[in-house]
Amino acid sequence: NAGVTQTPKFQVLKTGQSMTLQCAQDMNHNSMYWYRQDPGMGLRLIYYSASEGTTDKGEVPNGYNVSRLNKREFSLRLESAAPSQTSVYFCASRHRGSGAQYFGPGTRLLVL
Amino acid sequence: GNSVTQMEGPVTLSEEAFLTINCTYTATGYPSLFWYVQYPGEGLQLLLKATKADDKGSNKGFEATYRKETTSFHLEKGSVQVSDSAVYFCALREETSGSRLTFGEGTQLTVNP
Repeated sequence: NAGVTQTPKFQVLKTGQSMTLQCAQDMNHNSMYWYRQDPGMGLRLIYYSASEGTTDKGEVPNGYNVSRLNKREFSLRLESAAPSQTSVYFCASRHRGSGAQYFGPGTRLLVL
Repeated sequence: GNSVTQMEGPVTLSEEAFLTINCTYTATGYPSLFWYVQYPGEGLQLLLKATKADDKGSNKGFEATYRKETTSFHLEKGSVQVSDSAVYFCALREETSGSRLTFGEGTQLTVNP
């Protein structure tokens, strides 16, 4: 039982490049989330998926797209990276009963 | 909208000292409250939770009581260890906002031997 896994762990991009961050969970959770973490700002929700086949915008969705590929996988895509997207990205999934979210180890993204 | 305000850090303590990290919240309904901990280079881990007023969440020697009258959920530990050094996040989830969590900014704790 690996919980929530994310790839890659670290990535450097040039402005304008695109990339997809991958996330998978093996806990059979319905809901999944993408957050970004910036110094002094806590975690901010980018997008979430309440169930397979649905996605919704969070606080800071601009510049991102998501795909809920199946129940296990939820990917985050940057179509044209900008320096303002330099951040640490966390994926999470939610246990329906307790409401608690379980987080992956994060992806550190640097956009030059 | 919902919001969570945490005590500003960083907090530096000596081993075996008493810890309090303050957390207050604003919500329109009756939220569930959580404390998460983030160790260096890792993702967030659920530390404890409380789902209704006067509930006390506890785990690994940490405790927090859901106080509706003061809209607070302060984190406490009687005797901290060096291994408790981490960033602590308070968060809330309100039923009316679905399953979304609102986080505080985090409080960095450093415990010195």
